[in-house]
Amino acid sequence: NAGVTQTPKFQVLKTGQSMTLQCAQDMNHEYMSWYRQDPGMGLRLIHYSVGAGITDQGEVPNGYNVSRSTTEDFPLRLLSAAPSQTSVYFCASTTRQGRAGELFFGEGSRLTVL
Amino acid sequence: SQQGEEDPQALSIQEGENATMNCSYKTSINNLQWYRQNSGRGLVHLILIRSNEREKHSGRLRVTLDTSKKSSSLLITASRAADTASYFCATLNNAGNMLTFGGGTRLMVKP
Repeated sequence: NAGVTQTPKFQVLKTGQSMTLQCAQDMNHEYMSWYRQDPGMGLRLIHYSVGAGITDQGEVPNGYNVSRSTTEDFPLRLLSAAPSQTSVYFCASTTRQGRAGELFFGEGSRLTVL
Repeated sequence: SQQGEEDPQALSIQEGENATMNCSYKTSINNLQWYRQNSGRGLVHLILIRSNEREKHSGRLRVTLDTSKKSSSLLITASRAADTASYFCATLNNAGNMLTFGGGTRLMVKP
């Protein structure tokens, strides 16, 4: 199994450009989430989804959109990139059974906004 | 603000020594989890302790949880150079839909 796959691994954008970070998992996990990791800040939750067709906001949702049309995919969209969105982005998934599942992480997408 | 805060922010020890990292949090939780992150990689789940548990072991890892003090500790015994990584605690809220991470402890184990 591939687990959680994120693409691209690296991306450079100019301020105002838009892009989509892709995330796919092959473990049939109901729950998927996006985090950003900044130096000294740990990971902060952007958006999450508890199943296809259901999304909700995390701690830092502004500037980001998500959708969940299938169980496998959970793309993160930046509509108008800003330098403050320079970060490493991680997608993670887990089963919802028992509400106590461990998160499985992708390898990250490093985004630089100039 | 972050739910979990780790202490210390950085820790340097010799191979064979034990490493202890602490985590404090602010609100009631469903469970607390510890993750490891090697440089440039994604996080890997290490161990989970439920709110009604006080101690848990997994190999060289020992986790304690004190809900009255809203704190947890991770002990790595007989450390190895390969344990060099950042370690994060994370708390799952009672609704079970948000896992909130602390800022992490950077552990360096010198051979």
